[in-house]
Amino acid sequence: EVQLVESGGGLVQPGGSLRLSCAASGFAFSEHWVDWVRQAPGKGLEWVGRAKHKPDNYATEYAASVKGRFSISRDDSKNSVYLQMNSLKTEDTAVYYCGDIGDSLPWGRGTRVTVSS
Amino acid sequence: DVVMTQSPLSLPVTLGQPASISCRSSQSLARSDGSTHLTWFQQRPGQSPRRLIYEVSNRDSGVPDRFSGSGSGTDFTLEISRVEADDVGAYYCMQNTHWPPTFGQGTKLEI
Repeated sequence: EVQLVESGGGLVQPGGSLRLSCAASGFAFSEHWVDWVRQAPGKGLEWVGRAKHKPDNYATEYAASVKGRFSISRDDSKNSVYLQMNSLKTEDTAVYYCGDIGDSLPWGRGTRVTVSS
Repeated sequence: DVVMTQSPLSLPVTLGQPASISCRSSQSLARSDGSTHLTWFQQRPGQSPRRLIYEVSNRDSGVPDRFSGSGSGTDFTLEISRVEADDVGAYYCMQNTHWPPTFGQGTKLEI
């Protein structure tokens, strides 16, 4: 079964850090780019960043709203992608999804991040 | 960034009747190679988004043929020929022609 599973969310204070994981199974993970997309409570979808695959030198890209605070890495040997989030702000509160927005792979169920004091 | 504007934001519909959602981009989404990277996602209540249509008009596997996409340049449309109860949720257009990828605000389809 094709599956992506996010984990690592939780409650963190402003200025804190959190590391999210995205574990893939059931498909050729190494052949895909992986995007992180977030959804603030009651709001729409926002692209956060991307980890490209080996042919693209594992390049990463970030939305302006998170650049310099978030970093994405991937480990193809573990079929996993990670989102390291530092200097968190209240506006980073959202459900974070991983997926490939350029493909029909089903997204994960998401992991909730709450930034609050 | 390319701004994606959907209308309406809320769409009350009647079962069995058609529905249409508009999506407009602030720049043309046509690439020089002829491709247009306009995608439609469906998000049912409490679920993660699911891709329905890619490159304007191509339905993903398993998507009922009641759903169709059309358009070009800056104007795009998602149509549902006969709405079913299972179609309730939010629909988002997304462009991936220009960096960064951007989404529309979403249209909430309600019976």
